[in-house]
Amino acid sequence: EAQVTQNPRYLITVTGKKLTVTCSQNMNHEYMSWYRQDPGLGLRQIYYSMNVEVTDKGDVPEGYKVSRKEKRNFPLILESPSPNQTSLYFCASSIKGGTSGRASRDTQYFGPGTRLTVL
Amino acid sequence: KQEVTQIPAALSVPEGENLVLNCSFTDSAIYNLQWFRQDPGKGLTSLLLIQSSQREQTSGRLNASLDKSSGRSTLYIAASQPGDSATYLCAVNQAGTALIFGKGTTLSVSS
Repeated sequence: EAQVTQNPRYLITVTGKKLTVTCSQNMNHEYMSWYRQDPGLGLRQIYYSMNVEVTDKGDVPEGYKVSRKEKRNFPLILESPSPNQTSLYFCASSIKGGTSGRASRDTQYFGPGTRLTVL
Repeated sequence: KQEVTQIPAALSVPEGENLVLNCSFTDSAIYNLQWFRQDPGKGLTSLLLIQSSQREQTSGRLNASLDKSSGRSTLYIAASQPGDSATYLCAVNQAGTALIFGKGTTLSVSS
């Protein structure tokens, strides 16, 4: 089954304790992206990747890191989480990135979400 | 700066009704518009994608239209069912930006 998976689905942690949220897709997609969803603010892009070893900042990258060493995986790293990073996080993928960067013109497929609470 | 607005924010209807969800955007220079469904505790499921050159797309009981010049899209759901209860999000795709989402319409269909 074609899908985007994320782990963990739920995470409660404390300020400053490094964590990684994994994202994996089995569709051989080039483009992958991370979003966070907050009440009243909607979904905002954190980072995106046009292909292996090609990553760039989205709208709200502060406090986050990503890597794209393999096509299928795009982990989100919080080196020193803070309470303002409490949010619902989504990973997304699509076949290819757009020619002008950041977005993809193709249908984007989203993972199930990771609810993160930082105390 | 592109802004995407969805009205109404919430909608309750009895089972069997046909309904329309609205999405408007301020900048018509888009590649496409995508409608998603979000269920509590689950991710976003893509419902329909309309390219800027298209006027509408259909999938089963769903029909999405796009009027790029007026900055509007509608999602029509025919013969609504309780299983259609969810939050529906529209998102526009344009050069140089990420998907820009509306805040969503939360639909409740009662049996």
